[in-house]
Amino acid sequence: NIVLTQSPATLSVTPGESVSLSCRASQSISTSIHWYQQKSNESPRLLIKYASQSISGIPSRFSGSGSGTDFTLSINRVESEDFSIYYCQQSYSSLNTFGAGTKLELK
Amino acid sequence: EVQLVESGGGLVQPGRSLKLSCAASGFTFSDYNMAWVRQAPKKGLEWVATISYDGSSTYYRDSVKGRFTISRDNAKSTLYLQMDSLRSEDTATYYCARQRGVVYRGYFDYWGQGVMVTVSS
Repeated sequence: NIVLTQSPATLSVTPGESVSLSCRASQSISTSIHWYQQKSNESPRLLIKYASQSISGIPSRFSGSGSGTDFTLSINRVESEDFSIYYCQQSYSSLNTFGAGTKLELK
Repeated sequence: EVQLVESGGGLVQPGRSLKLSCAASGFTFSDYNMAWVRQAPKKGLEWVATISYDGSSTYYRDSVKGRFTISRDNAKSTLYLQMDSLRSEDTATYYCARQRGVVYRGYFDYWGQGVMVTVSS
């Protein structure tokens, strides 16, 4: 099974800062990685598909990059509404595994 | 507007059964693969099962194979999850999600609000 390791587990930032969240796969998965945001007591929301493809309706401050085993979700100038948990998910293998998440919190 | 509305959750004893439903609207249901994803309390996301757009193919995670059955009624735009022989470790919020990509491998572009299933005596 492909394991996704997200780091850091928690990231404390102040609004206006730019951040990078990491997702590392246990084997090469090309660009078959997708990113989600989950706010407290809400359903997940798709942010980025296939490593770097944007999603309609998602603010342009969210971007993704990477291929192979290392992937990054970048948030340019964090806003207060961005404090939530971010998950990566791989679709390279049939198990559709998710990472454990990175919590973005207010510093 | 795409909407996915789950129902059927609740408290159930270990070993018993429960059937979840997901009513879809705002898109042509029969054109899309659909999935169930769950989240145990305070835990991360876990894919459970996927069904192809026409119901001809189904896929499950190992821990639910033989116990859970995913199905759909395209005439009613409704997705189902029949859960038998429930265990305490099945306790979670269950989300219905639309899945894009190659049948059982893809991303989830729309999610329901989730329904809680608690397995406890």
